[in-house]
Amino acid sequence: RKEVEQDPGPFNVPEGATVAFNCTYSNSASQSFFWYRQDCRKEPKLLMSVYSSGNEDGRFTAQLNRASQYISLLIRDSKLSDSATYLCVVNSELPGGGTSYGKLTFGQGTILTVHP
Amino acid sequence: DAGVIQSPRHEVTEMGQEVTLRCKPISGHDYLFWYRQTMMRGLELLIYFNNNVPIDDSGMPEDRFSAKMPNASFSTLKIQPSEPRDSAVYFCASSLVGNPYGYTFGSGTRLTVV
Repeated sequence: RKEVEQDPGPFNVPEGATVAFNCTYSNSASQSFFWYRQDCRKEPKLLMSVYSSGNEDGRFTAQLNRASQYISLLIRDSKLSDSATYLCVVNSELPGGGTSYGKLTFGQGTILTVHP
Repeated sequence: DAGVIQSPRHEVTEMGQEVTLRCKPISGHDYLFWYRQTMMRGLELLIYFNNNVPIDDSGMPEDRFSAKMPNASFSTLKIQPSEPRDSAVYFCASSLVGNPYGYTFGSGTRLTVV
């Protein structure tokens, strides 16, 4: 089983639509969680962190359910510029039990295309 | 801040040749990571360093791959000999312990082995 698994996608939605991505992780010791965005032929970039209480950044809302080891990302009012690959990312506890943001494990990514 | 700098941006080489990828992390960052991205496997962590010391190289696919970090401002990933299945985009990233927002990727090196 992969450490981080995402919806296979791809998602093809019209402008203005609401779209949700899901992700599960296998390591219960994981410390922190993120969504990254990757544009075609570019490097991944941090979109937002994910907190247990849920957090919102404009049109984007991220949720974490530690009990179910489940992470989600909701995009409201989709824009053409939201077209990209969205990567679910989990921080693993370092050897020796130290806590750090040192090692990130990435999901396979979900491709989103927003069309006019 | 120049960000994480990788070179070359593109590399085309023949099977059997040695390939060296280079990375300059952000000044002051104490972690450096090498990732490989392919369509089939996504982003895979190959190796990471903390304060120039290799911490975990379990993701390095074979003995043909090696990585070094001789100082805080430079790292190399070497493939010798290269094979067509090594074709991928190789990303370097750096971060500062305790700060997830400091996890920054370079632009990547697109390697094609023919």
